[in-house]
Amino acid sequence: GAGVSQSPRYKVAKRGQDVALRCDPISGHVSLFWYQQALGQGPEFLTYFQNEAQLDKSGLPSDRFFAERPEGSVSTLKIQRTQQEDSAVYLCASSIQGAEGNTIYFGEGSWLTVV
Amino acid sequence: AQSVAQPEDQVNVAEGNPLTVKCTYSVSGNPYLFWYVQYPNRGLQFLLKYITGDNLVKGSYGFEAEFNKSQTSFHLKKPSALVSDSALYFCAVKRDTGRRALTFGSGTRLQVQP
Repeated sequence: GAGVSQSPRYKVAKRGQDVALRCDPISGHVSLFWYQQALGQGPEFLTYFQNEAQLDKSGLPSDRFFAERPEGSVSTLKIQRTQQEDSAVYLCASSIQGAEGNTIYFGEGSWLTVV
Repeated sequence: AQSVAQPEDQVNVAEGNPLTVKCTYSVSGNPYLFWYVQYPNRGLQFLLKYITGDNLVKGSYGFEAEFNKSQTSFHLKKPSALVSDSALYFCAVKRDTGRRALTFGSGTRLQVQP
């Protein structure tokens, strides 16, 4: 596709519910990133994939957060037993390859509200 | 470790005047520096980046940024602000080797008054 596509755009979850957020990166992009952006703050890194390999998951805040990219294209971020502090925008981003200077392009985000 | 500081939560400027949004960074090794803009309820849009070469980088929508290694700064500038430039601006850094992910600042809200 022309850009990074994320779904759903908006999700309201009851506390304790599991959610799954989907990211479809730009076609051919090897690198994929997930970020969490709380209201009024800058994005915080969650995890990074190169193709299907999850090379960095140091930003995942707890073991309730899990990400996968089984075929090296679409990725899913799953949050189990959601809590109110999980309310945030979840941004997916991709870049053409792993080289450090390449531009990272972001999707519109999935807005999660936990009630 | 790498970090970014955006010392101003908000910058106000009149339309037609020049604008500057400040950014300083800390990184071991050589920095790669980026500016992104975020409009309400939208994702981040890439504006420009510094990788190497000329310290003055030109980007989208008439924006430019100057890399200053001695001051560890990468301020965003535009000669003449537009009301439509009003948005949230983020500076980000990563080093030239190692970790792939960008580290972002806390953002600066730019308000351009007509």
